[in-house]
Amino acid sequence: GIQVEQSPPDLILQEGANSTLRCNFSDSVNNLQWFHQNPWGQLINLFYIPSGTKQNGRLSATTVATERYSLLYISSSQTTDSGVYFCAVRESNYQLIWGAGTKLIIKP
Amino acid sequence: KAGVTQTPRYLIKTRGQQVTLSCSPISGHRSVSWYQQTPGQGLQFLFEYFSETQRNKGNFPGRFSGRQFSNSRSEMNVSTLELGDSALYLCASSDVTSWPTDTQYFGPGTRLTVL
Repeated sequence: GIQVEQSPPDLILQEGANSTLRCNFSDSVNNLQWFHQNPWGQLINLFYIPSGTKQNGRLSATTVATERYSLLYISSSQTTDSGVYFCAVRESNYQLIWGAGTKLIIKP
Repeated sequence: KAGVTQTPRYLIKTRGQQVTLSCSPISGHRSVSWYQQTPGQGLQFLFEYFSETQRNKGNFPGRFSGRQFSNSRSEMNVSTLELGDSALYLCASSDVTSWPTDTQYFGPGTRLTVL
């Protein structure tokens, strides 16, 4: 089945810094989503982005489907950005396949 | 629209007991997926229900089961609880009419502790 790898596994930054999170996947997909899980466990959908680029405030994402990777950019990090970022892709049998996540800690 | 709700939010059980968790999806969403997340781990897919039918199942033992009702509400049951079942159980709903471009919306989770 499809494999999803996220890097880096951990990232510690100072408030105000920029960051880039990566998601590699092993086969073509028709659905790719980025999620943020806050320290209390709530998962929030950030982007649906199987290809192209999208932006939402300080966050943006780019997926290059032909090269099988997606990038999540966070600019001017705030402490509220801390948490775990997951990417998930959909396989042909409807099931979402999840990466292991990138744990981001933003220090004040 | 109201978001995905899960009850109860916290649960403490002892080994050997069974537990039932409930999930109410966003109004109009007919797909409900369940995930288990243990501390420091990613999300492990349990199963997905659509129109009262299990459409996908993850690699979990038969002690884990689920069902979906005609109003799309879903329950999952874990029988003969083990210490390793302690986890955050997350439910997600999606609007399958927009598949494959649908996005998943998660509830707050049920934190189960098995003593």
